[in-house]
Amino acid sequence: TQLLEQSPQFLSIQEGENLTVYCNSSSVFSSLQWYRQEPGEGPVLLVTVVTGGEVKKLKRLTFQFGDARKDSSLHITAAQPGDTGLYLCAGAAYSGAGSYQLTFGKGTKLSVIP
Amino acid sequence: DSGVTQTPKHLITATGQRVTLRCSPRSGDLSVYWYQQSLDQGLQFLIQYYNGEERAKGNILERFSAQQFPDLHSELNLSSLELGDSALYFCASSVGWLTDTQYFGPGTRLTVL
Repeated sequence: TQLLEQSPQFLSIQEGENLTVYCNSSSVFSSLQWYRQEPGEGPVLLVTVVTGGEVKKLKRLTFQFGDARKDSSLHITAAQPGDTGLYLCAGAAYSGAGSYQLTFGKGTKLSVIP
Repeated sequence: DSGVTQTPKHLITATGQRVTLRCSPRSGDLSVYWYQQSLDQGLQFLIQYYNGEERAKGNILERFSAQQFPDLHSELNLSSLELGDSALYFCASSVGWLTDTQYFGPGTRLTVL
């Protein structure tokens, strides 16, 4: 069974601060996805990283895939109240049953205080 | 808006009952996935269908079943409901079966009393 450990579980910071969320596994994934989920809604895909060592930027968000494709990080610069939400990482692996399966971490609940 | 629709948005029922959750995938998507999200377990993959056929199974209980119809919409049937089945149930869709990008619907919140 593939597991993804996310840390921290909860994060409360002041507007303007920087933060990093980590996603770690002992398994290798073909790709790693980051989602953001707001209360009462479904997860929304932010980014997919595929290549080991890959770095992708989405405005103030920087995503990195580990060289060995087992871990990833999400860094937010100058956090805004609108960044508040649950951040989920998900690793994709070929299941052998003819499909990719996503394994999700339990998430990091971020609160950005104005 | 992901383009994936789910009904109903909320469902309240009693233990022992049976319910059906419905999902319509994004236009053009052939794969449908079902997930359960609870506070303690996080988001757990249940089952996947591709073009009407079951493709992969995750942590789905025997009391749960699903199907995908010719028009590609899918239904998740939950029977002999228990208190522990209370959760958010999400449907996601993707273009094909050998792809790792899924788009999630808004979910159905099931409460079992």
